[in-house]
Amino acid sequence: QVRLVESGGGVVKSGRSLRLSCSGSGFRFNDYIIHWVRQGPGQGLEWVAVVSQDGKDSFYADAVRGRFSISRDNAKSTVYLDLRNIRPDDRGVYFCARPGTSSWNDFIDLWGQGTKVTVSS
Amino acid sequence: SYVLTQPPSVSVAPGQTAKITCGGKDLGTKSVHWFQQKSGQAPLLVVYDDDARPSGIPERFSGSESGDTATLTISGVEVGDEADYYCQVWHSSGDQQTWVFGGGTKMTVL
Repeated sequence: QVRLVESGGGVVKSGRSLRLSCSGSGFRFNDYIIHWVRQGPGQGLEWVAVVSQDGKDSFYADAVRGRFSISRDNAKSTVYLDLRNIRPDDRGVYFCARPGTSSWNDFIDLWGQGTKVTVSS
Repeated sequence: SYVLTQPPSVSVAPGQTAKITCGGKDLGTKSVHWFQQKSGQAPLLVVYDDDARPSGIPERFSGSESGDTATLTISGVEVGDEADYYCQVWHSSGDQQTWVFGGGTKMTVL
């Protein structure tokens, strides 16, 4: 079964750090770029970051650049999102997602179920 | 940064046709994708590359584009279509690449 499973969410104090994980199965993980997309409570979808197939290239949304870091371990079929200096507006559900092909700009056709991040003061 | 603009909400009666728009600068030069998200669930792709439909998505869902506006049309709306809908594009500028979502449109089936 082709799937993505996120983990690592939880309650974190403002200013602290957290690592989220996204594990893939049922497909050749190292053939695909992987995105992180988040959704604040009652808010819309917000693209966060993307990492290339080999992990050498990555791009970030302006809101997280310099604080978040995306990486991957293809041997473990896992992508990570390291959140640093977490702010209250970083709270929400974080989804990882995969495009339909190995093409960099292809549409997303596979989503995980998300992991929830709650920020306390 | 690139911006996609959607109406916050749309209401439609069962059996009628719903149209959800998505506007952006030079949108006609980009491929637009549409996602449906029901409460508490992950998004689901319903239209890709402006007007293509993934397997398993009913023919009632269709996409079109004209100028700087893309439109998701849902014909014969059913109660089960009530959801939030998002448009999305890939935007490249200089050495930066971003994936942009519209603000979302909440569709209510009356």
